[in-house]
Amino acid sequence: GAGVSQSPSNKVTEKGKDVELRCDPISGHTALYWYRQSLGQGLEFLIYFQGNSAPDKSGLPSDRFSAERTGGSVSTLTIQRTQQEDSAVYLCASSEAGNTIYFGEGSWLTVV
Amino acid sequence: DQQVKQNSPSLSVQEGRISILNCDYTNSMFDYFLWYKKYPAEGPTFLISISSIKDKNEDGRFTVFLNKSAKHLSLHIVPSQPGDSAVYFCAAGDTGRRALTFGSGTRLQVQP
Repeated sequence: GAGVSQSPSNKVTEKGKDVELRCDPISGHTALYWYRQSLGQGLEFLIYFQGNSAPDKSGLPSDRFSAERTGGSVSTLTIQRTQQEDSAVYLCASSEAGNTIYFGEGSWLTVV
Repeated sequence: DQQVKQNSPSLSVQEGRISILNCDYTNSMFDYFLWYKKYPAEGPTFLISISSIKDKNEDGRFTVFLNKSAKHLSLHIVPSQPGDSAVYFCAAGDTGRRALTFGSGTRLQVQP
C-alpha cells in the first residue's frame, strides 16, 4: 500500500493477556518508529528501528513491552501481561533518511 | 521531564483569522522541528518542518517560525478554515538520534 499500515485497528483484551500489534511501513523506508498516545496525552516515543542497527529501545515503559522488525520491513510490538494503563492508541511510523516521518492510523488497544 | 512543551491545550479562532500555535523546547541538541496535524481516530499527518539553520519556512497558508535563542517555535495558519480544526503536535528531533519528541498537542477549533 501507499501508506503505513497497522493491524488490528482495534483490539479489546483482558488484563493479563498478551497482545501483538503489527506495522507494515511504507516500502523503501529504512526507519520505523512506534509511539503511543494515551487519552489526553501527547505522543510518547517507544522504540525506533533504523536499518540493521540495534534498535533504540529507550522509550519502552517496561520489560513487558518488546518489538521486532523482521527483514527490515514489518514490525511487531508485543505487550505481555497487559495492564489497564496500557490502554492507548499505538502508532507506527516510518521514514526514509530524511526527517519527515509518516504515521499509520494506529491500533486502538483497550485493556479491560 | 518534558523536552517539548505546548502550553496551550486548546485554541479557538474565527474563520478567516490567524491561528498561532506555540511550542517551546529545552533540549539544545534539537536541530529540526516539525508540526503534525491529527484528526480524531486518525494517525498524525505531517504538516510542515523547519531546520535549525532557518528561522522561517512557509508552505501556503502555513508558516513555521523558529527562535533558537528563545527555544521557541510557532505555527501560523492564515487564513484559518474550519477544516483546520484538529489537534496540532509540535515535534523536535536531533539528527543523531532520529526519533522525534512530541509535545502534548494543542486542539485548534476554527469557528465558521
